Amino acid sequence: DTAVSQTPKYLVTQMGNDKSIKCEQNLGHDTMYWYKQDSKKFLKIMFSYNNKELIINETVPNRFSPKSPDKAHLNLHINSLELGDSAVYFCASSQGWGAGSRAGDEQFFGPGTRLTVL
Amino acid sequence: DAKTTQPNSMESNEEEPVHLPCNHSTISGTDYIHWYRQLPSQGPEYVIHGLTSNVNNRMASLAIAEDRKSSTLILHRATLRDAAVYYCILRGFDYFGNEKLTFGTGTRLTIIP
Repeated sequence: DTAVSQTPKYLVTQMGNDKSIKCEQNLGHDTMYWYKQDSKKFLKIMFSYNNKELIINETVPNRFSPKSPDKAHLNLHINSLELGDSAVYFCASSQGWGAGSRAGDEQFFGPGTRLTVL
Repeated sequence: DAKTTQPNSMESNEEEPVHLPCNHSTISGTDYIHWYRQLPSQGPEYVIHGLTSNVNNRMASLAIAEDRKSSTLILHRATLRDAAVYYCILRGFDYFGNEKLTFGTGTRLTIIP
């Protein structure tokens, strides 16, 4: 069984559209994350979330919004897609919550979703 | 914000040890040092992490300088499957409890058969 899964693997869409990427983890983890990896391979955290708290990286446009229907899922919704949104998006999860445990926790990453905006 | 600096690329012969360096001179006292690696077309994979003391696990060893301003990931016996981009990451929290995650640019490790 895949620990962290994402769908779709590839997403090609037109500028201005709204799209979603789904993420599921079957590890029973408390915390989930979304990352963006650009063409230069820089990996940046976008959100970290558990059932109590959403922490947003202040540089993320509000066109991006995470939605969590339950503890095992954290979907990423993107409105009004722009060319600069083209990247690979990774979902991840980790066990703990609270500053101390999270800083020392291992993160498990999904396989990534390659988003191309035309 | 804390930053990490790594060499862009390194090469190593198969079955020899590899030492991957990382500088993090602006690390704060509560930041953990994590290492992840990313194989082509895959998500990052956890390798090892530590705070102050050297750490060993089945994949690698992590040597942390006494002043914590640098660390070295050690692969004891490189195999072709170890060819990947290795990221040195600082993970901690700011005063408000917001998570800080700083990914470096990574080192592309090539293993020569």
